Amino acid sequence: DAGVTQSPTHLIKTRGQQVTLRCSPKSGHDTVSWYQQALGQGPQFIFQYYEEEERQRGNFPDRFSGHQFPNYSSELNVNALLLGDSALYLCASSYGAGRDEQFFGPGTRLTVL
Amino acid sequence: GENVEQHPSTLSVQEGDSAVIKCTYSDSASNYFPWYKQELGKGPQLIIDIRSNVGEKKDQRIAVTLNKTAKHFSLHITETQPEDSAVYFCAASNSGGGADGLTFGKGTHLIIQP
Repeated sequence: DAGVTQSPTHLIKTRGQQVTLRCSPKSGHDTVSWYQQALGQGPQFIFQYYEEEERQRGNFPDRFSGHQFPNYSSELNVNALLLGDSALYLCASSYGAGRDEQFFGPGTRLTVL
Repeated sequence: GENVEQHPSTLSVQEGDSAVIKCTYSDSASNYFPWYKQELGKGPQLIIDIRSNVGEKKDQRIAVTLNKTAKHFSLHITETQPEDSAVYFCAASNSGGGADGLTFGKGTHLIIQP
C-alpha cells in the first residue's frame, strides 16, 4: 500500500517564476493538506482540500493556490516566487476532513534563487 | 490563532535513559494533539496522538500526557535507543474531534548518546 507521494523531490526556480507541486494521497484517503517547512522550523499549515474545495486556509497570501482532482490528488501552485518561499513543501493526507490522523509525504524541496 | 511552544529545542540523553519533551498551547478550544518524528530528508511520521477527552495514552516505549487545565502536553520516551535520534514535533488543532490544520511547535532535536 503506497503512502503519500509527492513530486518532484527537488526544484530550483528563480524569483518571479511560478511553480506547481503535486501530491497523491495515501490509498483510501480523500483529504489533502499542504504545509510549508522552513529550515529548522516546524511545518506551517497552508490549506486543506476536501471534495475538490479549499476547506481551510492558514496565514498565506493569495500567491499560494491549490487544486484537488476527482481522484483526490492535489496540486499546490505558487506564483511570483520570492526568496522566502524556499522551503520543504509537505503534503499530508487523511480520511474525512477533520476526522482523522494526517500522514505526511516526503516533501518537495523548493529553492528560489 | 493557536500558538504552540515546544521545549527544549535540543535534548541529549544516554541510551537507555528516558526523554521528555514538553509543549504548551494557547487556544483552549484545541482538542487534538499529535506528535511527529522527522528524520533527516524525510517527512514527519506520526508516532502517537491524544484527544482532549483523554489524559494519557501509551504505546510501548512512548507515552503522551495532556493537562487541559494548564494547556500543556508532553511526550515521554522510555528506554531510549539510537534509532530514536530525530527531530520531534508536537502539534495542536481544533476541529470536530479530528485532525484539521495543525499548528506545530518548532521541534526538539533528540540526540541519543551511545
